[in-house]
Amino acid sequence: KAGVTQTPRYLIKTRGQQVTLSCSPISGHRSVSWYQQTPGQGLQFLFEYFSETQRNKGNFPGRFSGRQFSNSRSEMNVSTLELGDSALYLCASRRREISTGELFFGEGSRLTVL
Amino acid sequence: SQQGEEDPQALSIQEGENATMNCSYKTSINNLQWYRQNSGRGLVHLILIRSNEREKHSGRLRVTLDTSKKSSSLLITASRAADTASYFCVGISQGGSEKLVFGKGTKLTVNP
Repeated sequence: KAGVTQTPRYLIKTRGQQVTLSCSPISGHRSVSWYQQTPGQGLQFLFEYFSETQRNKGNFPGRFSGRQFSNSRSEMNVSTLELGDSALYLCASRRREISTGELFFGEGSRLTVL
Repeated sequence: SQQGEEDPQALSIQEGENATMNCSYKTSINNLQWYRQNSGRGLVHLILIRSNEREKHSGRLRVTLDTSKKSSSLLITASRAADTASYFCVGISQGGSEKLVFGKGTKLTVNP
C-alpha cells in the first residue's frame, strides 16, 4: 500500500510569509504527528492528531498550527515565518494513538526561509 | 529542549565490525523505539522495546533497555556499508499526555 506522502517536498519562503504543508497518511491510519528537524535542535515533536482532534502538542509557539480532516489527511501551517523555521518537517502516521506501535514517516518537506 | 540523548553523536567503523549506540532519556516511558534515517530522508522504524522488557533481537539488531538508568542501547552486528545512516531513539512517555521525545541521533558511518 502507499506510504505517507508529504507535499511539497521543497519550498522556499521569505520571512513574514506563511506556509502550509500537507501530509497524507497510510490508508487506515488515523493518527498523524508532525516533527521539525534542524541540525541544531534535532528532531522535535510538534503535535499529533487523532480522528481530527489534536491530542498532544510540543513546545512550539502558536505560529505553528495544524489540523486533520475527516479522511485523516493533515496540514500544518506556520505563520509569520522566521529564519529559524528553516527545517525538514516530517509527518508520521500510525493506525492508533501515539502510544502504540511504530510510526511510518514521510520523506519530509524541506522549508527554507530567506 | 531535547529530553533524549544519543551517545556517541558520531561513530565511524569498518564493515564487519559491530556498532553500539546508546540512548538516555529523562521521562518515564511506556516503550522505546529505534529509528534509522538516511541523509535528509524520513525515518524508518527498526525495533520497539517495551518498558517491561530488558532485551530484544531483530536480525542483526539487539536492543537493551534499563528503565532504572533510563537508558537503552542499540547494537548492530556485522555492520555493512548500507547501515550508514543516523539512528534515533524515541521514547513514548507515560502519563495522560503522551509525547515523543527524541535524541539528536548517532550518525553512523560504515566504511567498506
